[in-house]
Amino acid sequence: AQSVTQLGSHVSVSEGALVLLRCNYSSSVPPYLFWYVQYPNQGLQLLLKYTSAATLVKGINGFEAEFKKSETSFHLTKPSAHMSDAAEYFCAVRKGASGTYKYIFGTGTRLKVLA
Amino acid sequence: EAGVTQSPTHLIKTRGQQVTLRCSPISGHTSVYWYQQALGLGLQFLLWYDEGEERNRGNFPPRFSGRQFPNYSSELNVNALELEDSALYLCASSLPRSSYEQYFGPGTRLTVT
Repeated sequence: AQSVTQLGSHVSVSEGALVLLRCNYSSSVPPYLFWYVQYPNQGLQLLLKYTSAATLVKGINGFEAEFKKSETSFHLTKPSAHMSDAAEYFCAVRKGASGTYKYIFGTGTRLKVLA
Repeated sequence: EAGVTQSPTHLIKTRGQQVTLRCSPISGHTSVYWYQQALGLGLQFLLWYDEGEERNRGNFPPRFSGRQFPNYSSELNVNALELEDSALYLCASSLPRSSYEQYFGPGTRLTVT
């Protein structure tokens, strides 16, 4: 069963506009949630993580995400897009018991920033 | 501080051959994860090694295997390559099991013809 769903494989925004990348998860227990960014020909870089502390999580490069249990969502936002934000973004959830967990990634959302 | 390194960066193999990919974690990291990133499928979890032992594996056939060495570096072996094994293989490392954050290497691009 899919544990993470990212709505929209491609998103385009104008430079300076709000960035909203959607992620919904399925989990029967409080999850650990992550957003990663992947620039072309590079590995993934952690943007931010939710580990059951504050529901509004601030990350690097001006990104933040809000954990909403009632909506099972963990959407990524940035108030003002920059050209350098063009990349692929992955939402991920950590599932399983301590010592045997695994990370489940969404299929990714490619963000395009228009000048 | 050196990041996660992977070798080779690219390789091309023929269907039926075998391949070995290598990963060196960040110094002090004991956990190594392997992922397959095939076009349009996102990242699929392959294997997790911690302190030399396999802790978990994803839904991949047994021809995908690996190991972790005493210095915590790791190998991923794929036998009897199939065309659909063409993908970017990513390695990530983290501190001991209680850590949340994974650090990814740049990946090895495998093409099977």
